[in-house]
Amino acid sequence: AQSVTQPDIHITVSEGASLELRCNYSYGATPYLFWYVQSPGQGLQLLLKYFSGDTLVQGIKGFEAEFKRSQSSFNLRKPSVHWSDAAEYFCAVGPFSGGYNKLIFGAGTRLAVHP
Amino acid sequence: SQTIHQWPATLVQPVGSPLSLECTVEGTSNPNLYWYRQAAGRGLQLLFYSVGIGQISSEVPQNLSASRPQDRQFILSSKKLLLSDSGFYLCAWSTLGQVETQYFGPGTRLLVL
Repeated sequence: AQSVTQPDIHITVSEGASLELRCNYSYGATPYLFWYVQSPGQGLQLLLKYFSGDTLVQGIKGFEAEFKRSQSSFNLRKPSVHWSDAAEYFCAVGPFSGGYNKLIFGAGTRLAVHP
Repeated sequence: SQTIHQWPATLVQPVGSPLSLECTVEGTSNPNLYWYRQAAGRGLQLLFYSVGIGQISSEVPQNLSASRPQDRQFILSSKKLLLSDSGFYLCAWSTLGQVETQYFGPGTRLLVL
């Protein structure tokens, strides 16, 4: 069965520090992979996505993610975190299935940023 | 450009009362539509999806139902709310194509007392 694991429930970093949020998935074929961000009380905003091609993908707000097939991972990175990056981050796998795209979400990682 | 609206933004309802949450999409035709629930401190659970008017598929058995009376309108309903229905409800849309991405609305926070 398909699944997504985000091992870190909470992460705290200092402003200006680098960030890596982990995501591991279980899926039998090449997945579609997504990272979304959710500010408190808001909907989800798409940060970036991977379908094929270059395994390093760039997203909005200075984020990037790298697909590593051998490790079944799609980790999100940012070289220098800003206070406004404090939010919850969700990794999702999208096995496209004949007419609709069922996304399977991880439980999320809540990011706190210290000044 | 496409936009997605949800209302109300916040709702407090007593146990046993009915529910109707609405989601509308603008700027696209024949979207796939989705209802998710997000319980406090947890990830997202897909409740319903729809690939066209009147076509609803349920992912999990529950106290809720969904309808799609128009191409860009998706409604989540209940006849009698339970305490366990409390949560954050998110609507999303996508366009069927080679690469399909879901875009989310602002959400409705429901508190059942």
